[in-house]
Amino acid sequence: SQKIEQNSEALNIQEGKTATLTCNYTNYSPAYLQWYRQDPGRGPVFLLLIRENEKEKRKERLKVTFDTTLKQSLFHITASQPADSATYLCALDNYGQNFVFGPGTRLSVLP
Amino acid sequence: DAGITQSPRHKVTETGTPVTLRCHQTENHRYMYWYRQDPGHGLRLIHYSYGVKDTDKGEVSDGYSVSRSKTEDFLLTLESATSSQTSVYFCAIGGGSGSYNEQFFGPGTRLTVL
Repeated sequence: SQKIEQNSEALNIQEGKTATLTCNYTNYSPAYLQWYRQDPGRGPVFLLLIRENEKEKRKERLKVTFDTTLKQSLFHITASQPADSATYLCALDNYGQNFVFGPGTRLSVLP
Repeated sequence: DAGITQSPRHKVTETGTPVTLRCHQTENHRYMYWYRQDPGHGLRLIHYSYGVKDTDKGEVSDGYSVSRSKTEDFLLTLESATSSQTSVYFCAIGGGSGSYNEQFFGPGTRLTVL
């Protein structure tokens, strides 16, 4: 069956450092891989999407890489801030169908 | 928020009673989804719709049914609620014009089945 793993359940880093979150998957060939942010008590919010034929995508302080051979995506937040503290979810998508979300990584950025 | 509302936002019901949750969008997105989110399981897809009257099952569809008679509304029904269906339910939309199917989520409905 399809499975997504995200590196640790929780990650603590110091303000100003780069946070790196990992998403690994098996038994899936996604057309897209997406990253979302979720704050307590709220629904996930879309951050970035990368297509299967793209290696890297950037948006402001965010960077996503996608390696379909390794079946892995890395999500980087540079110059992290306490406001970046949240749970980050990766999701696999085949053209709008069969969405699968990972369990999430809870990031805490310490001042 | 991307024009998605869910109702009710909170509901407490008893085992065996029927429950219907409503998701309403004003964005004219093609896809609509229902998820449940539980500690230790993350977000799991229950059902989704790819058009009016077109629906399909997700990972955890047993005990749930859906209907979509209009583009803007997607209903999730628990025919006979069980305690295992206590959860937070999120509706999402996707497939808007010019998009790659990124999803936009509603505020969630917290359902408690006693």
